[in-house]
Amino acid sequence: DVKVTQSSRYLVKRTGEKVFLECVQDMDHENMFWYRQDPGLGLRLIYFSYDVKMKEKGDIPEGYSVSREKKERFSLILESASTNQTSMYLCASSLAGTGSSDTQYFGPGTRLTVL
Amino acid sequence: DQQVKQNSPSLSVQEGRISILNCDYTNSMFDYFLWYKKYPAEGPTFLISISSIKDKNEDGRFTVFLNKSAKHLSLHIVPSQPGDSAVYFCAASPLAGGFKTIFGAGTRLFVKA
Repeated sequence: DVKVTQSSRYLVKRTGEKVFLECVQDMDHENMFWYRQDPGLGLRLIYFSYDVKMKEKGDIPEGYSVSREKKERFSLILESASTNQTSMYLCASSLAGTGSSDTQYFGPGTRLTVL
Repeated sequence: DQQVKQNSPSLSVQEGRISILNCDYTNSMFDYFLWYKKYPAEGPTFLISISSIKDKNEDGRFTVFLNKSAKHLSLHIVPSQPGDSAVYFCAASPLAGGFKTIFGAGTRLFVKA
């Protein structure tokens, strides 16, 4: 079974703080993703990575950065947290395959509240 | 501009009846469609998928139908069970690859016992 774990289930931070969200997958997947889930908006892609040290912007990268130093770990960084970044953050991974058939495996999510 | 739309935020169905969840898309470049299911406090899990070369895919109680001309797909659950109560996300991937999978806003299904 694929397992994707996220470092925290709940996190409360103050405006302006630097926030790190960690994600680890144990199935040797090449691709890793960070999404945020907001009511009425579904899952929106923040960043993804298709290999170590490689990253690509998703649909809403502003205010975020990522790091992938090891294949199994993908970190999301909020350089200076703001209240509009209060959300549920979901990490996912998938095998590098033929593209459109990739099924993504999700972690349990981190609910971040920025005060 | 939402490329994948789930217009019903919620749906309530009696146990044993059919649940039909709908999804519309606007981008004709999508060639692979997926449904994910999400329980509270858990991440989404893959449920069923369909390629654009098919119009139907069935897996047990779950069937996905694709109408390419209408850019519409639907998920049928029959018979519905209380354990099916969850949020269902429709997702679509373009020809160029799965990196840019686009998700809908989700539909919350309530199955009443």
